[in-house]
Amino acid sequence: NAGVTQTPKFRVLKTGQSMTLLCAQDMNHEYMYWYRQDPGMGLRLIHYSVGEGTTAKGEVPDGYNVSRLKKQNFLLGLESAAPSQTSVYFCASSYGGAGWETQYFGPGTRLLVL
Amino acid sequence: AQKVTQAQTEISVVEKEDVTLDCVYETRDTTYYLFWYKQPPSGELVFLIRRNSFDEQNEISGRYSWNFQKSTSSFNFTITASQVVDSAVYFCALKRGGATNKLIFGTGTLLAVQP
Repeated sequence: NAGVTQTPKFRVLKTGQSMTLLCAQDMNHEYMYWYRQDPGMGLRLIHYSVGEGTTAKGEVPDGYNVSRLKKQNFLLGLESAAPSQTSVYFCASSYGGAGWETQYFGPGTRLLVL
Repeated sequence: AQKVTQAQTEISVVEKEDVTLDCVYETRDTTYYLFWYKQPPSGELVFLIRRNSFDEQNEISGRYSWNFQKSTSSFNFTITASQVVDSAVYFCALKRGGATNKLIFGTGTLLAVQP
């Protein structure tokens, strides 16, 4: 099992450009999440999905869109990148959404917006 | 409000020393879950342990041990006989007991183990 994988690993964008980050999991998990990690702030939830075809907003959703067309994939889109979106993005998945469910994380995508 | 505080921003120890990473949480829930994750220099987040609010037993796994104390709202992590491979950022996180998806992270503690 590869677990949770993310593509790409690193990307540089210019302000105003768009891009899509891909997350894939092979654990048959229902729930998937996108977080961003900024220095001194820990990880913050951007969007999440409780199953194929569903998405919901997290703590910091502005400037991002997501889609979950297939159970194993969760896409994070930036329509018009801004320097404030420079961050490390982590995807995670869990079998369910209950409090005791453990979230398993991908290796991260480092994004630099110039 | 839910909150996790890791007051130690950085810790530096010499190999073979014991080190304790502190985690203090705030929640009004009676049912909640606490997690520790490790982020090595390679960047991925590795799950270490989960503890529920009804289980105050300490946990030991090899050189790692966790001390959960509800009376002080703390879930501290101790590494015994530290090794260079333990160098990483360690995150403590909190989740509510119901059907929620929000994992609340502390700001992390950077542990540097010098040879």
